[in-house]
Amino acid sequence: DVKVTQSSRYLVKRTGEKVFLECVQDMDHENMFWYRQDPGLGLRLIYFSYDVKMKEKGDIPEGYSVSREKKERFSLILESASTNQTSMYLCASSPARSGRRYEQYFGPGTRLTVT
Amino acid sequence: AQSVTQLGSHVSVSEGALVLLRCNYSSSVPPYLFWYVQYPNQGLQLLLKYTTGATLVKGINGFEAEFKKSETSFHLTKPSAHMSDAAEYFCAVSDSGGFKTIFGAGTRLFVKA
Repeated sequence: DVKVTQSSRYLVKRTGEKVFLECVQDMDHENMFWYRQDPGLGLRLIYFSYDVKMKEKGDIPEGYSVSREKKERFSLILESASTNQTSMYLCASSPARSGRRYEQYFGPGTRLTVT
Repeated sequence: AQSVTQLGSHVSVSEGALVLLRCNYSSSVPPYLFWYVQYPNQGLQLLLKYTTGATLVKGINGFEAEFKKSETSFHLTKPSAHMSDAAEYFCAVSDSGGFKTIFGAGTRLFVKA
């Protein structure tokens, strides 16, 4: 069974802290994504990666960075957390091969609260 | 630019009734369209997708959707609702590369006994 796991389900951090959210997939997928989910706004793409050490900005990259040192792992970094980054963060992966590259597999999400 | 509009943030149906969740999209290129479902405290799961070919697409759990280019719509239906269908449903459109997927705001489906 395919699987995307995220390091924490719930996380509480203080304003100004550096925050790491980790995502691991076991499907050998080339593509990985980070989204944030807010009520009434759906999912918004923060960053994506199509290969190791490659990254591209999504629609809302400000205040975030990412790291992909290994194919299976994609990290989201909040350099200095702020209260407006309180949200649900979802990681996803997808294969690169044609016909299936649109199929994204999601992790369970990390609910981050910044106080 | 691509966009997705889901009509109705909440939909309530009785068990056994027809489920209809509405989605309209905007895309300057042939769209790739999706419906995802999110059960409480879980990530999203792909229900069905339209890329090319047949415009009526069947997915998991008895759901189907029809791509209507003239109406720029991709509505999701199920003939008979079950209690287990209660969840949030997201319509999405993707670019041809599959990297930038735009999600709608979501529709929460309630199923009454």
